[in-house]
Amino acid sequence: KAGVTQTPRYLIKTRGQQVTLSCSPISGHRSVSWYQQTPGQGLQFLFEYFSETQRNKGNFPGRFSGRQFSNSRSEMNVSTLELGDSALYLCASSSQNSYNEQFFGPGTRLTVL
Amino acid sequence: SQQGEEDPQALSIQEGENATMNCSYKTSINNLQWYRQNSGRGLVHLILIRSNEREKHSGRLRVTLDTSKKSSSLLITASRAADTASYFCATASSTGGSYIPTFGRGTSLIVHP
Repeated sequence: KAGVTQTPRYLIKTRGQQVTLSCSPISGHRSVSWYQQTPGQGLQFLFEYFSETQRNKGNFPGRFSGRQFSNSRSEMNVSTLELGDSALYLCASSSQNSYNEQFFGPGTRLTVL
Repeated sequence: SQQGEEDPQALSIQEGENATMNCSYKTSINNLQWYRQNSGRGLVHLILIRSNEREKHSGRLRVTLDTSKKSSSLLITASRAADTASYFCATASSTGGSYIPTFGRGTSLIVHP
C-alpha cells in the first residue's frame, strides 16, 4: 500500500495570508489526524477527522480548520498566518482512530515570513 | 503542558550499546505508543503497549509500562548508527468525551559508529 502523502512538502507564506495543506491517507484508512510540530512546543494535536466529521479537536485557535472528503483525503487550512505558525505540519492516518497505530506522512514545512 | 515527558532529552552512545529512554505521563491512559522520527521527517510507529500489559517486545525493542508509577521505558538493544533519531512516547487520554492524543518532547538519540 502507498503511504500517507502530504502536499506541498515546503511552503513559504507571509503574515496575514492563508494556506491550505493536503493529506492523502493510506487506502482504507478513515481516520486522519493533524499535528503541528515546533521546536518550542513539540508535537501538538490539531484535530482528527473520521468519515468526513471532526471527531476530536486540540487546543488551537479557530484560524486552524480542516475538512475531510468522502475519499478520506483531508485538508487543513490556516487563515491570517502568524510568524508563530511556522512549523512542520504532520498528517497521520489510522484505520480506526488515533488510539491505535498511526501512520504519518512526511510533513509539510511551513515558513511564515 | 505535555502529557508524556521523555527522559533523557538527549542520549549519546556507541554502536552496540543499549539505549534506554523513559516516559512519564500524568493521567490514566488507554495505551502508550512509542514512535521514532528521523530528522525533520514523519514519525514511524514502533510499538504499542496497552494499559493492562506490563512488557512488550519487538525485535531489538523492549517496552515496559508501570501504570502505578505512570511511566514507561523503551530499551533498544545492540544499537546501530541507523537508530539515530528522536523517540517519542504518545498517550491516549479522554477529556469530556473527546480523545486527545499527546506526545512528549522526545529523546534525541545519537549512536556513534
